[in-house]
Amino acid sequence: DTEVTQTPKHLVMGMTNKKSLKCEQHMGHRAMYWYKQKAKKPPELMFVYSYEKLSINESVPSRFSPECPNSSLLNLHLHALQPEDSALYLCASSPQFGANVLTFGAGSRLTVL
Amino acid sequence: GENVEQHPSTLSVQEGDSAVIKCTYSDSASNYFPWYKQELGKRPQLIIDIRSNVGEKKDQRIAVTLNKTAKHFSLHITETQPEDSAVYFCAATATGGGNKLTFGTGTQLKVEL
Repeated sequence: DTEVTQTPKHLVMGMTNKKSLKCEQHMGHRAMYWYKQKAKKPPELMFVYSYEKLSINESVPSRFSPECPNSSLLNLHLHALQPEDSALYLCASSPQFGANVLTFGAGSRLTVL
Repeated sequence: GENVEQHPSTLSVQEGDSAVIKCTYSDSASNYFPWYKQELGKRPQLIIDIRSNVGEKKDQRIAVTLNKTAKHFSLHITETQPEDSAVYFCAATATGGGNKLTFGTGTQLKVEL
């Protein structure tokens, strides 16, 4: 398996909802990432997990809460989001955190109403 | 931190022509330079990468060149085809844990028939 799988593909939520994005990889990668991407912009790093521990939080608002239950899974819990949080959320993984090839998932398209 | 500039922001070529996208980076410690292609509505995918111990790398119609002295690297696509139409992102990082991948701002390449 050489893929990163993300669910759901599309998500519409209100500002008072609580939802979660899920990411899974079975390549044995020990680094997993959440990126946010707006239209026609580069991916913007949000969080990095290395060996299931949070290594980087790019000053992301607390309404985004990451979780890494095990080496294959990465979640992003969403609560009280704002319309400007609407974006494509990409999960990625790499063998190690550092200068390694990132494998991206297909993304979850989030719309906040 | 690292800063990556990418030019041009849009590029239109005729099918069969060559396309060149250029990036500059600021951190002399950076030693890994990947290029990602992102088709509309799809995930970024690595198309080629280069490490600082080589000056050029080729893969069929795609090549990347690196000038460490000038801190710039370029993507060259020859014999362009309509399926090359996409957004291309360059990126740079330094080897080792704790180093983030910094993306350029992207180039929208359009290959016209």
